Amino acid sequence: GQNIDQPTEMTATEGAIVQINCTYQTSGFNGLFWYQQHAGEAPTFLSYNVLDGLEEKGRFSSFLSRSKGYSYLLLKELQMKDSASYLCAVPIFGGSQGNLIFGKGTKLSVKP
Amino acid sequence: GAGVSQSPRYKVAKRGQDVALRCDPISGHVSLFWYQQALGQGPEFLTYFQNEAQLDKSGLPSDRFFAERPEGSVSTLKIQRTQQEDSAVYLCASSLGPSGGAGHEQFFGPGTRLTVL
Repeated sequence: GQNIDQPTEMTATEGAIVQINCTYQTSGFNGLFWYQQHAGEAPTFLSYNVLDGLEEKGRFSSFLSRSKGYSYLLLKELQMKDSASYLCAVPIFGGSQGNLIFGKGTKLSVKP
Repeated sequence: GAGVSQSPRYKVAKRGQDVALRCDPISGHVSLFWYQQALGQGPEFLTYFQNEAQLDKSGLPSDRFFAERPEGSVSTLKIQRTQQEDSAVYLCASSLGPSGGAGHEQFFGPGTRLTVL
């Protein structure tokens, strides 16, 4: 089966750095996605990792370790607008390879 | 360009009513997905289309749920005889190809919030 775990909530201060972890168990592996979702809005794509290591994209970076079944999203220079839920997701391996399996999301609150 | 659109944005139904939720994917996107998202949870997969073919409907919770994409573009999710447990946000997403490859990220619509009284 497939399982994704991430913390339910996190709080951080404006200007700081925060790391949101995600662990996954899948029958195969075909990459890992991070999405951002503001309350009442659609999830928006942040990053995709398929190889081990760190992918940097501006203030956001995403790390993957396939051997450990582990990823994290790193947010630097936090801004109030970064308050949102962050969703870790993996595509189904095999079959139609269509849909994503999502974690429950980590609700990040950025305080002044 | 236009993103994924969904209508209606909000729907209130009485228990037992039928509802139809519409999704307009990004033009040219081959794949279309429906997800159900309960409050405080991540989206959960319902069904997947590649063009007009429904390749996976394993996530549909019961036979009251039905989805179609007859011409390979617009899709409709129909829920018959709605129950209170059907209350959720229904998200539609589209992608150029099947997810699992770089550049094949899914683009989500704003969702339809369904409330069943």
